[in-house]
Amino acid sequence: GAGVSQSPSNKVTEKGKDVELRCDPISGHTALYWYRQSLGQGLEFLIYFQGNSAPDKSGLPSDRFSAERTGGSVSTLTIQRTQQEDSAVYLCASSLDQYEQFFGPGTRLTVL
Amino acid sequence: SQKIEQNSEALNIQEGKTATLTCNYTNYSPAYLQWYRQDPGRGPVFLLLIRENEKEKRKERLKVTFDTTLKQSLFHITASQPADSATYLCAFRGSSNTGKLIFGQGTTLQVKP
Repeated sequence: GAGVSQSPSNKVTEKGKDVELRCDPISGHTALYWYRQSLGQGLEFLIYFQGNSAPDKSGLPSDRFSAERTGGSVSTLTIQRTQQEDSAVYLCASSLDQYEQFFGPGTRLTVL
Repeated sequence: SQKIEQNSEALNIQEGKTATLTCNYTNYSPAYLQWYRQDPGRGPVFLLLIRENEKEKRKERLKVTFDTTLKQSLFHITASQPADSATYLCAFRGSSNTGKLIFGQGTTLQVKP
């Protein structure tokens, strides 16, 4: 069956530009998570969606980061005015319950 | 703050031996711990979940223990194979009720033939 997909797989942008990262979760999974993984680091939680609402945004590092989810499915993570410290792999995961999370392959973001 | 620590040094072992990875946590008493495997350029893949009232969990060549007194989980791979080479992450659910996971930084295992 289809797993979690993310696009683009790689994104190179210039400092100050806005970027949008997309996540397609597994069909029927109501929970969706965004994480960030910097080089050699563990995963850092960003935001959690249950359906279309985001009850936990506590991990978003600044107001330049925002995310939305529509139709209880696709989610978009937007980073405005990108900075070099935003360079990382952004991972999306979906879940049917609060246990096993299914991760996508990630989007590698490089800010020059 | 809630913290989870794994040995950041890579673990190198010979094929056929048992690999043991350690995960320690502080400032929290999680109801369960999870272990994930991550290969280069890929997202983590779920392996095992162990609850606080379970001392040990097994799945094929994998075994996980959970010691709530020591605040530690051990992850064992028996009869290790080169294909087991990867980074292994432990995680627990944070104190919020959202299912968000707090991850350790992972331990890279290299199994040599």
